[in-house]
Amino acid sequence: SQTIHQWPATLVQPVGSPLSLECTVEGTSNPNLYWYRQAAGRGLQLLFYSVGIGQISSEVPQNLSASRPQDRQFILSSKKLLLSDSGFYLCAWSVSYHGLISGNTIYFGEGSWLTVV
Amino acid sequence: GENVEQHPSTLSVQEGDSAVIKCTYSDSASNYFPWYKQELGKRPQLIIDIRSNVGEKKDQRIAVTLNKTAKHFSLHITETQPEDSAVYFCAAPYKAAGNKLTFGGGTRVLVKP
Repeated sequence: SQTIHQWPATLVQPVGSPLSLECTVEGTSNPNLYWYRQAAGRGLQLLFYSVGIGQISSEVPQNLSASRPQDRQFILSSKKLLLSDSGFYLCAWSVSYHGLISGNTIYFGEGSWLTVV
Repeated sequence: GENVEQHPSTLSVQEGDSAVIKCTYSDSASNYFPWYKQELGKRPQLIIDIRSNVGEKKDQRIAVTLNKTAKHFSLHITETQPEDSAVYFCAAPYKAAGNKLTFGGGTRVLVKP
């Protein structure tokens, strides 16, 4: 069966510090991968998605970046965090459809709580 | 882009009563409609989904109905229990944007004992 893991689960970072969140998926090949952010009490905002290694699409302009160095690894980074970057970050995956987004079920990781102070 | 509107934003029900959440979508090509439940501090988890070739699907106390003509779908929870308290999200794929799921704004459901 497929599983998704992301870490760290929680972190508190000072403004201006770097960020790295990592996510891995097991039990499937060539998944579509996603990074979402959820501000406290708010909805799900899609930040990045990827249909393959090295292929990253950004949904919103921001000081965050994403990378996919391996088929089942997705990394969210920032060189300098802002206060507004605080939130609940969720990695997710879905089955690929011929290398494209399938429009099917998205499965979320456990999430990472980021507090920028 | 695809616009998925979800109502109500909050819903308070008495334990044992029914809860209904409705979503409307704009892309007539959408063919898959999942519902996610997010408990406090946890990740969203799929609870039920429906494809465009059926009008209703049930799983124990939850059901989803789809009206493709009117472009809306609804989540029905019967005999609500305190553990049903959570935020619920609907979603639909947007074909013109590469089939990515677009989520509704969420409904916070509170079941009062």
